[in-house]
Amino acid sequence: DADVTQTPRNRITKTGKRIMLECSQTKGHDRMYWYRQDPGLGLRLIYYSFDVKDINKGEISDGYSVSRQAQAKFSLSLESAIPNQTALYFCATSEGRTVTDTQYFGPGTRLTVL
Amino acid sequence: AQSVTQLDSQVPVFEEAPVELRCNYSSSVSVYLFWYVQYPNQGLQLLLKYLSGSTLVKGINGFEAEFNKSQTSFHLRKPSVHISDTAEYFCAVSGDTGGFKTIFGAGTRLFVKA
Repeated sequence: DADVTQTPRNRITKTGKRIMLECSQTKGHDRMYWYRQDPGLGLRLIYYSFDVKDINKGEISDGYSVSRQAQAKFSLSLESAIPNQTALYFCATSEGRTVTDTQYFGPGTRLTVL
Repeated sequence: AQSVTQLDSQVPVFEEAPVELRCNYSSSVSVYLFWYVQYPNQGLQLLLKYLSGSTLVKGINGFEAEFNKSQTSFHLRKPSVHISDTAEYFCAVSGDTGGFKTIFGAGTRLFVKA
């Protein structure tokens, strides 16, 4: 079984709809992250969480919100989706609390906003 | 501020040929450098990382990278590529900036031809 899972894997939605992307991990890591990947731009950090009570904005948090329901679960919400949020979204985890730690990525969620 | 530039967006190469994927970074603090690989329809996984010590870092699948502080580069190399190395490769940098931040490059798509 995969250590970091994401649901759904693909989603098509309409402008203005609320949508939630979910991430679960079995690695027992404290840190979790949400990134979006756009062609030619690489990965950009949306939010990250050090633990259940510690959530931080990344470089592109506008239009997104997150919830850390438990150590193993970190959800990303788009309250009112817009077409420029069409992207590939990745959840990731890391074990420690330093910038030297390896990140472990889920398989991604491809989101299309029409 | 830190930044990462991957100098080639696409690199086509024949099977069994050597390959170099180029990465330059900028940072005002000590840096930690990473290469991640993303196979089709999968999340990213770590190839190798440089934290300190020897400037030549060996990773998985026969890849290696050399940290060059004077040229602010961290190029990835493999002496003989296989079809299975076809993937997208991301260079990333993090540093002791007082807060969590890993910056990813835009990615280099390696296409290995038979």
